[in-house]
Amino acid sequence: EDQVTQSPEALRLQEGESSSLNCSYTVSGLRGLFWYRQDPGKGPEFLFTLYSAGEEKEKERLKATLTKKESFLHITAPKPEDSATYLCAVQAPDNAGNMLTFGGGTRLMVKP
Amino acid sequence: DAMVIQNPRYQVTQFGKPVTLSCSQTLNHNVMYWYQQKSSQAPKLLFHYYDKDFNNEADTPDNFQSRRPNTSFCFLDIRSPGLGDAAMYLCATSRDRVDTQYFGPGTRLTVL
Repeated sequence: EDQVTQSPEALRLQEGESSSLNCSYTVSGLRGLFWYRQDPGKGPEFLFTLYSAGEEKEKERLKATLTKKESFLHITAPKPEDSATYLCAVQAPDNAGNMLTFGGGTRLMVKP
Repeated sequence: DAMVIQNPRYQVTQFGKPVTLSCSQTLNHNVMYWYQQKSSQAPKLLFHYYDKDFNNEADTPDNFQSRRPNTSFCFLDIRSPGLGDAAMYLCATSRDRVDTQYFGPGTRLTVL
């Protein structure tokens, strides 16, 4: 069974304090790994898709990387508006037709 | 802008009173999904449609039904809501099952 574990569950940073969020996964035949941002009371907003180990993608202060066992979401010089829950999800052919398996999320709080 | 729209954003119903949630999309995607998300938890897939083909998750209660009358619209029917059904309901779409899922803003359901 596919498993996705995100750590830490919660992270408090000062504005400008860079850090990384971790997403560890166990899956047979990864098809894709997805990062979403979710603000309170709203739907998840798509950030990145990574398909193969060694792949990296960037968007503003965010950079996502992928290895064969985990993905990192690096946040450089975060601002208070980066505060949100970040969700990681994996997709694999053996998981009921490529459905997503989500991790529990990391709740990020950036203090000014 | 192409998007996923959910109505209403907030829905209050009484215990046992049927309720219908609506989702529409302008992306012309083949796949539409319904997720349930409870507080501080990851989204849980209830079912999805690939075009007109309905796919129910094994652990989705019979109390939950869905209809997709055309490509653009999908409905979630809860026949007899219980207190445990209070949650955020998220609609998502993707071009194909292997593609990125895009989420709507969600409907917050309260059961009194």
